[in-house]
Amino acid sequence: EPEVTQTPSHQVTQMGQEVILRCVPISNHLYFYWYRQILGQKVEFLVSFYNNEISEKSEIFDDQFSVERPDGSNFTLKIRSTKLEDSAMYFCASSGLAGFPLEQFFGPGTRLTVL
Amino acid sequence: QKEVEQNSGPLSVPEGAIASLNCTYSDRGSQSFFWYRQYSGKSPELIMSIYSNGDKEDGRFTAQLNKASQYVSLLIRDSQPSDSATYLCAVSSGNTGKLIFGQGTTLQVKP
Repeated sequence: EPEVTQTPSHQVTQMGQEVILRCVPISNHLYFYWYRQILGQKVEFLVSFYNNEISEKSEIFDDQFSVERPDGSNFTLKIRSTKLEDSAMYFCASSGLAGFPLEQFFGPGTRLTVL
Repeated sequence: QKEVEQNSGPLSVPEGAIASLNCTYSDRGSQSFFWYRQYSGKSPELIMSIYSNGDKEDGRFTAQLNKASQYVSLLIRDSQPSDSATYLCAVSSGNTGKLIFGQGTTLQVKP
C-alpha cells in the first residue's frame, strides 16, 4: 500500500541552525502539506502546496520557513534559523488524485529537537 | 478564528462496549470532516471521512454529521483494547484542503 515517507525520523540541531525536513508523498498525489505538533498540543497546519506553489500558509509559517518540491518525488520543509520553540513533530501529508483535496495521508513524522 | 472542539477525556469504556466521541466546529462553511486515530508518539492515521449529513459506516466505525448543529461524532462498536488511542477530529473548508484539528479525545478500552 502506498505511503508517505519522511526523513530523518529524528533531527537534533542547535538554535540558529538551518534544518531541512524531507518527505516523499504518495505517488500521483497532487496536494502536499506540512503540519506540526508540539508535545501535548494540537496538530497545527503550516502550509499547503499545489501545482508547484504555496496555496495557503498559516501565521506560523513566517519568513523562516520555506517549502520546495525540487524534483518529481521529494517535498521539503526548510527552517532557516531554528528557535527553541520550533521543537515539535513535523508531519508531511499528501492527498488528491483528481484535482480536489480529499483525504490526507500522513507520514510518520520527523521529531525536531532544537537545543 | 476557526475552531474545532473535542472533550479531551479520557473516555474509558469496557471491552466490547460502544465508544462515542464528539466534536463541534465553528466554521459553517466547512465541507469535509475527518476522524484520525493517533497512537502515542505516532502520526495521525485516517479512519473515517464524511462529507454530507447523516451516517457513514465502515466496519466497526460509524461517523455522524449534522451540519445544522455543527457537530460530528464517531461511534466505535465492539471496542477493543487496541482501539485505545487519541482520536482527532479534523475539519476542512475552502479548496486548499487545510485541516483544522481538535485537541483530540483519549479513549481507553479496558479488558
